[in-house]
Amino acid sequence: EVQLVDSGGGLVRPGGSLRLSCAASGFTFSTALMTWVRQAPGKGLEWVGRIKSKSDGETTDYAAPVKGRFTISRDDSKNTVYLEMSSLKTEDTAVYYCATGDDMGFWGQGTLVTVSS
Amino acid sequence: QSALTQPASVSGSPGQSITIFCTGTSSDVGGYDYVTWYQQHPGKAPKLMIFDVSDRPSGVSPRFSGSKSGTTASLTISGLQAEDEGDYYCCSFTNNATLVFGGGTKLTVL
Repeated sequence: EVQLVDSGGGLVRPGGSLRLSCAASGFTFSTALMTWVRQAPGKGLEWVGRIKSKSDGETTDYAAPVKGRFTISRDDSKNTVYLEMSSLKTEDTAVYYCATGDDMGFWGQGTLVTVSS
Repeated sequence: QSALTQPASVSGSPGQSITIFCTGTSSDVGGYDYVTWYQQHPGKAPKLMIFDVSDRPSGVSPRFSGSKSGTTASLTISGLQAEDEGDYYCCSFTNNATLVFGGGTKLTVL
C-alpha cells in the first residue's frame, strides 16, 4: 500500500525558513517523480514543484511564485523527499502536500505552514 | 501561468448527470493530452479521479468520465450520489514544463 507522510510544518516568521519532509513507502521511491502542492486556507490547489528521479537527473521545476526561494531535494536511501522553504512570506501560509508523479496519483495527509509575525 | 478556469459551483440531484468544464489555453489544456481531475472532501487530501484526459485510476467509479475539446476539458459525473459532493479541480501540463490547476468547483448534491 502506498503511503506518504508529510511532516515539518509549523509557525514561522516572515523572512524565515522551514524544511518539510515527506516519507514514502509501498512503492519504488527511487524511480518515482515526486511533486509538492499547496493549498492556502479556504483556497484552491496550487502546484509548487517537482523533482524527477536520479535516473532522470533529479531535475527540479518550480512554480513562479516560489522559484528562487524553495528547493526540492530527495534522499532515496531514506525514501524521503524534502521541500526547503526560505524567505517565507505571509502568502506562503498553506497546507503543503507531497504527491507521487506528475499525475499526483497518491497524496500525503498534508502539513500546515503558517507564516505570521 | 494563469490558473485554469472552472465554474465556482455546480449542483445536481441524485441520479442526474453533471459536467464541470475547465478552460485553458493552447499553452496548457489545448497543447497536451495531460489533464487530470481531483476530488477533495473537506479536511481531506485530494484524490485522483481522471488522468491523461479520460483515463480512470483503478478503483474510481465508471460514473466519472473525462474528455477534452480544444482548450476545454470536462469532467462528467453520471448517476450523482450524495458521496460525490465536494470540490473538484482540474490540472494541466503547460509549455513551461510546469503544472497548473483550475480554481476549483464546488459540487452540491441537492
